[in-house]
Order: sequence, then structure tokens, then C-alpha cells
Amino acid sequence: AQKITQTQPGMFVQEKEAVTLDCTYDTSDPSYGLFWYKQPSSGEMIFLIYQGSYDQQNATEGRYSLNFQKARKSANLVISASQLGDSAMYFCAMREVMNTGFQKLVFGTGTRLLVSP
Amino acid sequence: DGGITQSPKYLFRKEGQNVTLSCEQNLNHDAMYWYRQDPGQGLRLIYYSQIVNDLQKGDIAEGYSVSREKKESFPLTVTSAQKNPTAFYLCASSIVGTSYSYNEQFFGPGTRLTVL
Repeated sequence: AQKITQTQPGMFVQEKEAVTLDCTYDTSDPSYGLFWYKQPSSGEMIFLIYQGSYDQQNATEGRYSLNFQKARKSANLVISASQLGDSAMYFCAMREVMNTGFQKLVFGTGTRLLVSP
Repeated sequence: DGGITQSPKYLFRKEGQNVTLSCEQNLNHDAMYWYRQDPGQGLRLIYYSQIVNDLQKGDIAEGYSVSREKKESFPLTVTSAQKNPTAFYLCASSIVGTSYSYNEQFFGPGTRLTVL
């Protein structure tokens, strides 16, 4: 079974600084995908960034980038120039293909990020 | 606007009662999902559906039931058999694609269920 580990229950960062949220994964599937989602206090899950296992480049989306180290099985999220609105829970998730051929997402336990002025 | 709606936002239930959570999407997605989120934990998959009338159990299906009579709608019933139903419930949808394709899941705003 696939597994996602987020070892940081909480992180603090000052506004305008960069922060890295850790994610390690475990899978025997050579083809996989990794997602990061943001969950504000309102509860909805907001998709941030995706990295496929065969992607040659690290994924970037605006202020979000993914530090993908395949050999170490890590997919850390880097948020540059933090803003107060970045305060939220952040979840790393992995695509798992089930016996039916259908995909599901396996989530980590999340990291709560607090951005201070 | 295209998206997923869930209602109600907050729901209170007495022990022993069944309750149904609504999920509607207008993204024209074939696949829909229900997740449960408990404090300090990530999301866990309850049920999913690949197409109308298809119902598949996820990792924690016991005590829950779903239906998929229309493409847009995927209601979840929390039955009295669910031992610890108090949780935050999220509905999601996606295209089906292939097994290894990039299929982003879009989430609704969630329903917070509290059993009194």
C-alpha cells in the first residue's frame, strides 16, 4: 500500500519569507503522481501543484514550487514570499491506482502553516 | 460558475438517526468521491463512483451508503451503524481518464456533521 508522511504538524514563518513543507512517500509503483492541497479554515480543499513521477522538471505554480527528489522519495512544497493568506493546513497526497484501474488519492496528515506579520 | 456544492454546511444529528449529505457538481465529471476528515488526520476515502449507477467502497465504507442516479449528484447517507460519525465530510469529483493520467480532484466546501 502506498503511504504519505508529513512529519511537521505545524510550521511558523514570517511574512515575505520562504517556507518548505516536507512530504515523503512510499510506493512500489513506478508511475505515480503527487499533489499538494491547501485547506483554509473554511474547509475546502484547494489544489496547488502536481508532480508526475516521470516529469523531468520540478513543478512550479506561481509562488509554489515542488522540490522533487525521486531517489529520496520526497516531494517538498516550497512557498516563496509567504503571505498572511497562506495560513492554512497543507496536505500532500499521492495518486494510487486501485484493482479496478481507478485512481484514488492517499493523503498525509497535513501540516498547519501560520504566517505572522 | 462551475463547481461542487455541498449542503448543509453544518449538520447536527441525534444518535440512532440516519442523515443524508448532499453533493452536486456541474463540472460534467464522471467520477465522484466522498472523503471523511477527522482532526489531526488526512482525508480517508469512504465511497466513490466512476459513472452513473456505479458505486464502489473505499477504505472506510462501513456505516455509510451512497447513490448515483444522476451524473451531477452523489448523496451520502450516514447510517446509525456508523459508530463515530462526527467528522468533516468532503465531496470531490474528477474526470476518469486512464489509470496513470493526471486527474485532479475538485472538492466541495464540506459538511461538518456533529452527533449529539
